[in-house]
Amino acid sequence: EAGVTQSPTHLIKTRGQQATLRCSPISGHTSVYWYQQALGLGLQFLLWYDEGEERNRGNFPPRFSGRQFPNYSSELNVNALELEDSALYLCASDPSLAKNIQYFGAGTRLSVL
Amino acid sequence: GQSLEQPSEVTAVEGAIVQINCTYQTSGFYGLSWYQQHDGGAPTFLSYNALDGLEETGRFSSFLSRSDSYGYLLLQELQMKDSASYFCAVRDNGNTGKLIFGQGTTLQVKP
Repeated sequence: EAGVTQSPTHLIKTRGQQATLRCSPISGHTSVYWYQQALGLGLQFLLWYDEGEERNRGNFPPRFSGRQFPNYSSELNVNALELEDSALYLCASDPSLAKNIQYFGAGTRLSVL
Repeated sequence: GQSLEQPSEVTAVEGAIVQINCTYQTSGFYGLSWYQQHDGGAPTFLSYNALDGLEETGRFSSFLSRSDSYGYLLLQELQMKDSASYFCAVRDNGNTGKLIFGQGTTLQVKP
């Protein structure tokens, strides 16, 4: 069974540009979560999508947005990139709210120059 | 505010036992989880405690005391491959999917 997959692995952008990150959850998982992990820090919750709807949002500005498609894959869009947006962006999925187990992808390393 | 506190670094030798503590302060509590992350890799789930007590999974065990808002991860028979960052995480609300993570503990295993 394939795990959570993310693309691209690395992404280099300049300030002011837009970045699009993609995530495919484990088959059968309907929830997708996005986290930001700045260098040497913990994971900060960004967004949660379930059944195509945004269910919860972390303390991030509106230029961080996303969507979930009918096949449960998801996109994270970051507009008007700033230098401090440089981080590892991790996607996770789980099949149910009943557990604390989330399955993570390897992440997209976004570098803003 | 909501926070999880864990030591930033721990060093131990191969074959030893190490304990990584985590204290949490959250508005709600729906279980404590532990994740392992090797440098630049994906966090992987290790253990989950919803009720007080010890959960054992091979060389790894996790403990929870809800009255003390405290838990720990115990790693036995340390191996070099256990060198990684370890994160505790809490789901604070049964209606949201987000996890609140600690800042992570970097474990260095020495020969």
